[in-house]
Amino acid sequence: GAGVSQSPRYKVAKRGQDVALRCDPISGHVSLFWYQQALGQGPEFLTYFQNEAQLDKSGLPSDRFFAERPEGSVSTLKIQRTQQEDSAVYLCASSLYGTNTEAFFGQGTRLTVV
Amino acid sequence: EDKVVQSPLSLVVHEGDTVTLNCSYEVTNFRSLLWYKQEKKAPTFLFMLTSSGIEKKSGRLSSILDKKELSSILNITATQTGDSAIYLCAVEAIIDSGGYQKVTFGIGTKLQVIP
Repeated sequence: GAGVSQSPRYKVAKRGQDVALRCDPISGHVSLFWYQQALGQGPEFLTYFQNEAQLDKSGLPSDRFFAERPEGSVSTLKIQRTQQEDSAVYLCASSLYGTNTEAFFGQGTRLTVV
Repeated sequence: EDKVVQSPLSLVVHEGDTVTLNCSYEVTNFRSLLWYKQEKKAPTFLFMLTSSGIEKKSGRLSSILDKKELSSILNITATQTGDSAIYLCAVEAIIDSGGYQKVTFGIGTKLQVIP
C-alpha cells in the first residue's frame, strides 16, 4: 500500500484479555518500529526490527509485551493479560533502512483497557 | 537517560500570527534532531537537523539547531488553522557502530490556531 497501515484502529479490551495489534509497513522498508503513546505524552520507543530480526526490545515495558515480524514484513505487537496502564495509542513506523530519520508512521491503534 | 523537553506545552494564537516552538535536549552520541507534526494519530516528518546554525525551511515553516545550547526552534509564520496540531521534537542518538539510531521524543507542543 501507499503508507503504513495499522489494524485495528480502535480496540477495547477487558482487563486480563490478550490483544494483538498489526502493522503493515511500506513495501520494501527494512526497518520497523513500535511506539507507545500515552495521552498527553510523546511516543515512547518499544522495539525495533531490521527485516525479521528484533534488534532492540529494550523499550518493552514488561514480559507481557511481545512483538514479532516473522517474514520481515508485517509485524504484530501482542500484549498478554492487558492492564489498565496499557491503554495508549500504539504507533508503528517503517523506514527504508537503518535510520529512523524519515520514518513513516501509521495511524496507530488506540487501545483502551477497561 | 536521553531527554527531550519542549516548550510551551500548549499555545493558542490567531491566524496570521508567527509562533516559535522550543526544544532542548540531553543526549549521548547525538546524531540529529527531528521535528514532526502530529494531527490525530500519525506524526508526519517535518525536518531533520544535524548541523548547528543552518536553517531548514519549508514554506512557512523553518527550523534551526544550536548544538552549543543543545536546543532547536521551530518557527511558523503567517499561521493558518491547518497548522493546528501537536509538534513533536525528537533526538536521534547513535547506539552502535552498525548504524542503529534510537529516537527519543518530547511530549510535544499543542498549537491551536483560531480564525
